[in-house]
Amino acid sequence: EAGVTQFPSHSVIEKGQTVTLRCDPISGHDNLYWYRRVMGKEIKFLLHFVKESKQDESGMPNNRFLAERTGGTYSTLKVQPAELEDSGVYFCASSQDSGTGLKAFFGQGTRLTVV
Amino acid sequence: AQKITQTQPGMFVQEKEAVTLDCTYDTSDQSYGLFWYKQPSSGEMIFLIYQGSYDEQNATEGRYSLNFQKARKSANLVISASQLGDSAMYFCAMRESMNSGYSTLTFGKGTMLLVSP
Repeated sequence: EAGVTQFPSHSVIEKGQTVTLRCDPISGHDNLYWYRRVMGKEIKFLLHFVKESKQDESGMPNNRFLAERTGGTYSTLKVQPAELEDSGVYFCASSQDSGTGLKAFFGQGTRLTVV
Repeated sequence: AQKITQTQPGMFVQEKEAVTLDCTYDTSDQSYGLFWYKQPSSGEMIFLIYQGSYDEQNATEGRYSLNFQKARKSANLVISASQLGDSAMYFCAMRESMNSGYSTLTFGKGTMLLVSP
């Protein structure tokens, strides 16, 4: 069974440019999460999809970030325009349910560097 | 206040020795789950072990065990017989039960473990 896959694995862009990150969750997982880790800091929650609906987007830093989940399958996270402080590793995770015991399966992350 | 605290930025251990990675948490919920994830240099986050707040026994998964002390709100990860491949970043995380449903994972800052030959 394929795990959570993220694309690209690395991205280097200039300040002001646009970048789109993609996440393909495990097939059948309704819950999809985006997290971000800025260098040296803890992993922070960005948002949570249940199928195609945004369940919780309280962690989105500002309106330069736009997440979508077309048809409840894969998700994209667009940063437009990118700023230097957006650099970090963006993780996607999926799970079958949202109970306290259900573990989330993570992708390998996308390392974003804004220069 | 931080919900998950990992006080050890880095830990060193020799191969075949046991090591304990500390994690304390803060919650007012009665129902919650505690997780440990491993992040090797390749970048992916790998689930290691889970402990539910109502579980009476400490969780174990192979060489990993979770030393759960509910009254102290600690959930330390114990790795027995360390291997070179255990060198990685280790994150403690928590999921809480809330009136509106279940929270997403809240992570600590992580502990970098280096295993030497």
